[in-house]
Amino acid sequence: QQQVKQSPQSLIVQKGGISIINCAYENTAFDYFPWYQQFPGKGPALLIAIRPDVSEKKEGRFTISFNKSAKQFSLHIMDSQPGDSATYFCAASMRSGGYQKVTFGTGTKLQVIP
Amino acid sequence: SQTIHQWPATLVQPVGSPLSLECTVEGTSNPNLYWYRQAAGRGLQLLFYSIGIDQISSEVPQNLSASRPQDRQFILSSKKLLLSDSGFYLCAWTWPTSGAHTDTQYFGPGTRLTVL
Repeated sequence: QQQVKQSPQSLIVQKGGISIINCAYENTAFDYFPWYQQFPGKGPALLIAIRPDVSEKKEGRFTISFNKSAKQFSLHIMDSQPGDSATYFCAASMRSGGYQKVTFGTGTKLQVIP
Repeated sequence: SQTIHQWPATLVQPVGSPLSLECTVEGTSNPNLYWYRQAAGRGLQLLFYSIGIDQISSEVPQNLSASRPQDRQFILSSKKLLLSDSGFYLCAWTWPTSGAHTDTQYFGPGTRLTVL
């Protein structure tokens, strides 16, 4: 029930195209859903995040779509660029026992080709 | 602003040797601190978390231990490394849950550990 399932495992998109990564969760106690971007050899960095009372959040070329009833959320990268090539992790978080209990997806390796 | 540091950046150690990885956070007080391990091409596995000095909780039983001797310092240790301890170790912090801050976890640059 704590799992977050992420797909696809890898994704190749042409420059200018749309990259879409999907995640699904089980536990309805999760109340915060961030996406992280990780470049090789670096720590993950927050990209964008959403709470379940909102169905969509957009920041620049990055959009999260959230479907509370289906317990699914997705990341859309518009006008994908080679610099977007990285591994993306979705996560689901809740406050538990004084700390944030975060469950991460298994990651999607995105490659944007010129 | 807040920053998080980890060192060393890379480490190559023989099997059976001890380990000490350090993480420090600047610009915040009483953060929640976390240690994760990331195997090659895999997701993040939570190892330890701490909500205060000397308050450490372990998520999985293993060959590692953690300590928090100061408010903004988190140390990951082992007495005898195993081959399976190789990986990318990440420290992260969040604001205390008692506040109205975001629940975002902020990660450090990581330590690449290779056990030979």
